[in-house]
Amino acid sequence: SQTIHQWPATLVQPVGSPLSLECTVEGTSNPNLYWYRQAAGRGLQLLFYSVGIGQISSEVPQNLSASRPQDRQFILSSKKLLLSDSGFYLCAWTPWGDSYEQYFGPGTRLTVT
Amino acid sequence: AQSVSQHNHHVILSEAASLELGCNYSYGGTVNLFWYVQYPGQHLQLLLKYFSGDPLVKGIKGFEAEFIKSKFSFNLRKPSVQWSDTAEYFCAVASGGSYIPTFGRGTSLIVHP
Repeated sequence: SQTIHQWPATLVQPVGSPLSLECTVEGTSNPNLYWYRQAAGRGLQLLFYSVGIGQISSEVPQNLSASRPQDRQFILSSKKLLLSDSGFYLCAWTPWGDSYEQYFGPGTRLTVT
Repeated sequence: AQSVSQHNHHVILSEAASLELGCNYSYGGTVNLFWYVQYPGQHLQLLLKYFSGDPLVKGIKGFEAEFIKSKFSFNLRKPSVQWSDTAEYFCAVASGGSYIPTFGRGTSLIVHP
């Protein structure tokens, strides 16, 4: 069966520090991968998605970037965190092809101080 | 661009009450529709989905949703809620052949025992 992992689960970082959040999927090949930010009362905001290694699409201009160094690994990064980057970050995947159902990871709670 | 509206942001019910959560979207073409649920401390997970066929869709835990194309709606219903239904509920719509859904802002449901 397929599983999705995210780490760390929680993170407290000072303003101006770098960020690296990791997401990995097991049990499938060539998944579509997504990074979302969830804010209370604001739903899920799509940040990045990837349909293959090295293929990253950005949905919203951010102080963030994403990379996909391996087929089932998706990384969210920042060189210098802002206070506004605080939030709950979710990684999700869909099977390669035309399935639209998304499978979500447990999320990372990021607090920028 | 697709937009998804969930009009009920906070709903408080007593056990055994009936539930209906509204979801409306803006795109007039072919759509794939989803309801996701996030129980406290758990992953966001799929509750039910509609791709085609019978517009009345049944999901897990006694939930159902009805797709009404003329009203651009996909409302979630449950005839008798339980305390364990306390969660955040998100409607999502993927349109025009896109595999990337747009999420509504979510509805927080609290069920009192």
